[in-house]
Amino acid sequence: NAGVMQNPRHLVRRRGQEARLRCSPMKGHSHVYWYRQLPEEGLKFMVYLQKENIIDESGMPKERFSAEFPKEGPSILRIQQVVRGDSAAYFCASSPLGQGNQPQHFGDGTRLSIL
Amino acid sequence: RKEVEQDPGPFNVPEGATVAFNCTYSNSASQSFFWYRQDCRKEPKLLMSVYSSGNEDGRCTAQLNRASQYISLLIRDSKLSDSATYLCVVTFQGNLIFGKGTKLSVKP
Repeated sequence: NAGVMQNPRHLVRRRGQEARLRCSPMKGHSHVYWYRQLPEEGLKFMVYLQKENIIDESGMPKERFSAEFPKEGPSILRIQQVVRGDSAAYFCASSPLGQGNQPQHFGDGTRLSIL
Repeated sequence: RKEVEQDPGPFNVPEGATVAFNCTYSNSASQSFFWYRQDCRKEPKLLMSVYSSGNEDGRCTAQLNRASQYISLLIRDSKLSDSATYLCVVTFQGNLIFGKGTKLSVKP
């Protein structure tokens, strides 16, 4: 009974490259959330997606960041032209129902380091 | 004012001690409340939901005071394995809003 699966666990990129982070939700969950955690900071909401739809992207930076959750396959968080400030842990969470008053289950995270 | 505020700690306590974590939130329309724990370089894991009536789960007791916009977590008989960062989380319009967390270190 796999939980939320994220890969890669660690990702190193040089400034200006692209970073792709993947997330497969728990079985039976169709709602995915992405969070970013900077060193010594709390988790910050980035985006909420359902299959083929972005529901809430109020926490996404306006440029370089995008997310998708296709009909088939994992959710992807894409960061173009990475900069040093993008270095962080990126966590994905899923839930069986839509945004509401319920807890979310988190993946192990992807630690992104920008050289 | 931060949306969810917690004492960053660290709280250094001996095994067997009782530890209290406090949290305040700024948005009176917040809907749900949770405590998560996060081990070093790991993902947050749900510890327990928090209800106005108060709730208990093993050695943990959580309380919510909506009037004061205050949430608490009490851990009794602390174990070495309780060492972690404890995150206070509230929801508003479906979004989870995290506090920065309080670090707990339980010493033998």
